Amino acid sequence: DTEVTQTPKHLVMGMTNKKSLKCEQHMGHRAMYWYKQKAKKPPELMFVYSYEKLSINESVPSRFSPECPNSSLLNLHLHALQPEDSALYLCASSQELMGNQPQHFGDGTRLSIL
Amino acid sequence: DAKTTQPPSMDCAEGRAANLPCNHSTISGNEYVYWYRQIHSQGPQYIIHGLKNNETNEMASLIITEDRKSSTLILPHATLRDTAVYYCIVRGSITDSNYQLIWGAGTKLIIKP
Repeated sequence: DTEVTQTPKHLVMGMTNKKSLKCEQHMGHRAMYWYKQKAKKPPELMFVYSYEKLSINESVPSRFSPECPNSSLLNLHLHALQPEDSALYLCASSQELMGNQPQHFGDGTRLSIL
Repeated sequence: DAKTTQPPSMDCAEGRAANLPCNHSTISGNEYVYWYRQIHSQGPQYIIHGLKNNETNEMASLIITEDRKSSTLILPHATLRDTAVYYCIVRGSITDSNYQLIWGAGTKLIIKP
């Protein structure tokens, strides 16, 4: 069982739709992360939030828009996605951004773009 | 670029110890080594991490060579549920631009009955 909860587990959307992915953790962690993972590849970092402020954006296209409403929640808003954006989207959290404590991952949202 | 090199796949018999090697010859003195695994259709699961001393927890042991250029993850009594992709990761130095996990390609470990 993971302590990072992601919803929905699966999402199918058209290229003109708007949808959101949600992530929640109640471990008191102050750093939260979004990763994208294509099949048979390691995760790729997309965004990092530290103390609810965007700390890192790894040159992600603007059709992906992250939001951190509070210290326990992280959203990823999706709009006008392309078929190549189909992937597993993973959320993770850690105690702090700069410490050596590990990141803990959710089980991801599997996204398919039609 | 990945800072680690792992064999792409390994087999191990159920009940035996699984020893997964990792090379990280360019590791800096203050960079930690982390191990994660990913079972099919799940998110990565943290296993263990260390800097220079050997570490042990309820899941595994981590043996780091004295020169820190390589390490071995040991699963003492492998079960079928340990079949997964195992990632050895060096965390970027605090002087790096993003101080984040730098993932390699991982080792696909298959536990056979």
